[in-house]
Amino acid sequence: QQPVQSPQAVILREGEDAVINCSSSKALYSVHWYRQKHGEAPVFLMILLKGGEQKGHEKISASFNEKKQQSSLYLTASQLSYSGTYFCGTEGETSYDKVIFGPGTSLSVIP
Amino acid sequence: DAGVIQSPRHEVTEMGQEVTLRCKPISGHDYLFWYRQTMMRGLELLIYFNNNVPIDDSGMPEDRFSAKMPNASFSTLKIQPSEPRDSAVYFCASSTGWTVYNEQFFGPGTRLTVL
Repeated sequence: QQPVQSPQAVILREGEDAVINCSSSKALYSVHWYRQKHGEAPVFLMILLKGGEQKGHEKISASFNEKKQQSSLYLTASQLSYSGTYFCGTEGETSYDKVIFGPGTSLSVIP
Repeated sequence: DAGVIQSPRHEVTEMGQEVTLRCKPISGHDYLFWYRQTMMRGLELLIYFNNNVPIDDSGMPEDRFSAKMPNASFSTLKIQPSEPRDSAVYFCASSTGWTVYNEQFFGPGTRLTVL
């Protein structure tokens, strides 16, 4: 079942912060975050495993709360290069579950 | 390494024609994934292979779609016959291990237009 992402789209000025949320209706084992720039392939950002961990990638970090079945991606002091569509991919607890990607959140950073 | 290689990058064909998309995964990667991306449906997993064996093809939309992986360095996705609603960007991705621990490396995609 496809995870839900919010917001669908966001526009930021350089230097502003943003949060992108990803939630699922089923128990999760991991959450994957990817960014896709227009006309390009998705690029991996990070994977978070069950256990409520947080991870960081440059000024982008994420948290995973398996009890709430949700993850949040935090973009701090956004840069123009952060523009793109952010996808979360969720993986259930069944041994051979596959990653199902959400619909994406479009992020535009303007000067 | 050159990354995941896909060909062709663009394909325009007429309804009813057979279309074959090709993918060369990163050497040493034993998982290969085929995705389809459209504005309406987002990024959908069609099928994935582990060590050249199809593991889950539940995302393949219908019998017109088929995928093969004859060896560790080559996979094809075939649509026969093609229909206008198959127009999309098709991505191939590969990874070194099970998804929970490993990132997927995506190819540049094939943009398919069926007229």
